[in-house]
Amino acid sequence: KAGVTQTPRYLIKTRGQQVTLSCSPISGHRSVSWYQQTPGQGLQFLFEYFSETQRNKGNFPGRFSGRQFSNSRSEMNVSTLELGDSALYLCASSLGYRAEQYFGPGTRLTVT
Amino acid sequence: EDKVVQSPLSLVVHEGDTVTLNCSYEVTNFRSLLWYKQEKKAPTFLFMLTSSGIEKKSGRLSSILDKKELFSILNITATQTGDSAIYLCAVEAYTSGTYKYIFGTGTRLKVLA
Repeated sequence: KAGVTQTPRYLIKTRGQQVTLSCSPISGHRSVSWYQQTPGQGLQFLFEYFSETQRNKGNFPGRFSGRQFSNSRSEMNVSTLELGDSALYLCASSLGYRAEQYFGPGTRLTVT
Repeated sequence: EDKVVQSPLSLVVHEGDTVTLNCSYEVTNFRSLLWYKQEKKAPTFLFMLTSSGIEKKSGRLSSILDKKELFSILNITATQTGDSAIYLCAVEAYTSGTYKYIFGTGTRLKVLA
């Protein structure tokens, strides 16, 4: 069974731009969660989608948004990028709502 | 404010040693505690704990939760170099109608041959 895939794997953007990251969950998984990982703050929960609905949300500003499609694939969008948004963005999928999660390899975003 | 604190921050041991990693938490409406292992890539799931006093085991790894004292420990026996990683603890909490996961900063374990 293929694992969680994330695209792109690496991305460099300029401050003020916006970016869209993509996550394809394991086949059959209906829940997708997004996390930001930085050396200073560690791993922080962004949001979780289940059946195309955002079910849970962490403490991030409205510049961070996401959506989930009917095939469970998910996208995360960050608008008006700031230098502090440079991080590894991880996506995790699970069979059900709040079930065991499997992480993808991440997208490393660098904002210059 | 919800918080999860892991200790020690880092640890160096020799193969064959037994290690105990700690995770304490203060959150509103605790639901579960999770342990992950992170090597050079994404975290991999180890355990999910929801009930106090029930030990979960997987090979040389085991974990237990104390909901009264608000902590969990992760034990690794007969350590191997392949156990070298960052071990993350996360707590699932329910606040304002939504669930969220709060992560600790991790314990960096290095096992020497």
